Amino acid sequence: DAGVIQSPRHEVTEMGQEVTLRCKPISGHNSLFWYRQTMMRGLELLIYFNNNVPIDDSGMPEDRFSAKMPNASFSTLKIQPSEPRDSAVYFCASSSNLAGGTNNEQFFGPGTRLTVL
Amino acid sequence: GENVEQHPSTLSVQEGDSAVIKCTYSDSASNYFPWYKQELGKRPQLIIDIRSNVGEKKDQRIAVTLNKTAKHFSLHITETQPEDSAVYFCAASKTGGFKTIFGAGTRLFVKA
Repeated sequence: DAGVIQSPRHEVTEMGQEVTLRCKPISGHNSLFWYRQTMMRGLELLIYFNNNVPIDDSGMPEDRFSAKMPNASFSTLKIQPSEPRDSAVYFCASSSNLAGGTNNEQFFGPGTRLTVL
Repeated sequence: GENVEQHPSTLSVQEGDSAVIKCTYSDSASNYFPWYKQELGKRPQLIIDIRSNVGEKKDQRIAVTLNKTAKHFSLHITETQPEDSAVYFCAASKTGGFKTIFGAGTRLFVKA
């Protein structure tokens, strides 16, 4: 298995532009997480999905952020319009969790380093 | 909501010494406690985890202890090596919710 795949690996854009980050979870995993990592705020959970359904988006900082998971093998995180303070590394992670069961290891993708000028 | 506090934020040890990182959590229902290691420029990767029905778990030079009464858990690394230098994150989650709350991280430096 190739692990969690994220694209692009690096993104440089100008303030006001739309940014779309993509993630392909490990095949068979039913939970998907989006995190943002900065020096100041550490590793923050933005949103997570279970069986393609958004469960908790309380970590999404603003309405400029949105995430979708149209099927079990693909998810996007979109920022529109982007701002310089959105500059961070965005990680996608997936895991296999059974409803009502204890949680399991999250496998992280390589991350997307976003720079908004 | 759940909160996980991690100490220290930075830890510097001499090669061969032991390193201990401590975390406390707030939600008594938490029952899964993973530890992740993140090397510079890389992704976080699980190194060890413990569930609430176990008090201690060991994997070679790494061990984790859990005290549910006090709501704290610790990572112990013995015989540290330069390649142990990284940022270590503790985390907590509970059954019925897949949300994992991470600590702020500990940057470990192992001096050769």
